[in-house]
Amino acid sequence: NAGVTQTPKFQVLKTGQSMTLQCAQDMNHNSMYWYRQDPGMGLRLIYYSASEGTTDKGEVPNGYNVSRLNKREFSLRLESAAPSQTSVYFCASSEGSSSGRLNEQFFGPGTRLTVL
Amino acid sequence: AQSVTQPDIHITVSEGASLELRCNYSYGATPYLFWYVQSPGQGLQLLLKYFSGDTLVQGIKGFEAEFKRSQSSFNLRKPSVHWSDAAEYFCAVAFNDMRFGAGTRLTVKP
Repeated sequence: NAGVTQTPKFQVLKTGQSMTLQCAQDMNHNSMYWYRQDPGMGLRLIYYSASEGTTDKGEVPNGYNVSRLNKREFSLRLESAAPSQTSVYFCASSEGSSSGRLNEQFFGPGTRLTVL
Repeated sequence: AQSVTQPDIHITVSEGASLELRCNYSYGATPYLFWYVQSPGQGLQLLLKYFSGDTLVQGIKGFEAEFKRSQSSFNLRKPSVHWSDAAEYFCAVAFNDMRFGAGTRLTVKP
């Protein structure tokens, strides 16, 4: 099992450009998450999906959109990138749907994004 | 307000010395509690978790944590640190959703 995979690993964008971060899991988990990690702030939840076809905002959703394409895949889109979105982005998944947010989460290796 | 606090931003210990990383939470009831480790350039990996029962929890890589309800704490310990333990450690609490502390960076001196 590959677990949780993310592409790309690194990306540099100019202000105003758009891009999509891809995430896939092969553990048959219902719940999936997108976090951003900034120095001294831990991980902050951007969006999550408790099951295929549903998405909900997390703590810092502004400037992002998500798509739960199927049970395996959960993508994060930046429509118009800003320097404040420079960060490391992690995708994660967990068992359960309604209670999934309380369960152990499995993380991908991250995408390091720089917006100039 | 609900919060999770890791008071130590950076800790340095000598190889072979004992380690304790602190975690405190502020919630109305006892949440689920987790410790994760992040090696440089990697994602987070679960070390251990507490849901209920025995307040001393054993995890992977020789780590343990003790839940103390009276102190709202869930501190991580290891009796003898190895150089490979150098990493960033995150405490997380789950009540309505999961919240992560800011992390503690561990440096291990030879």
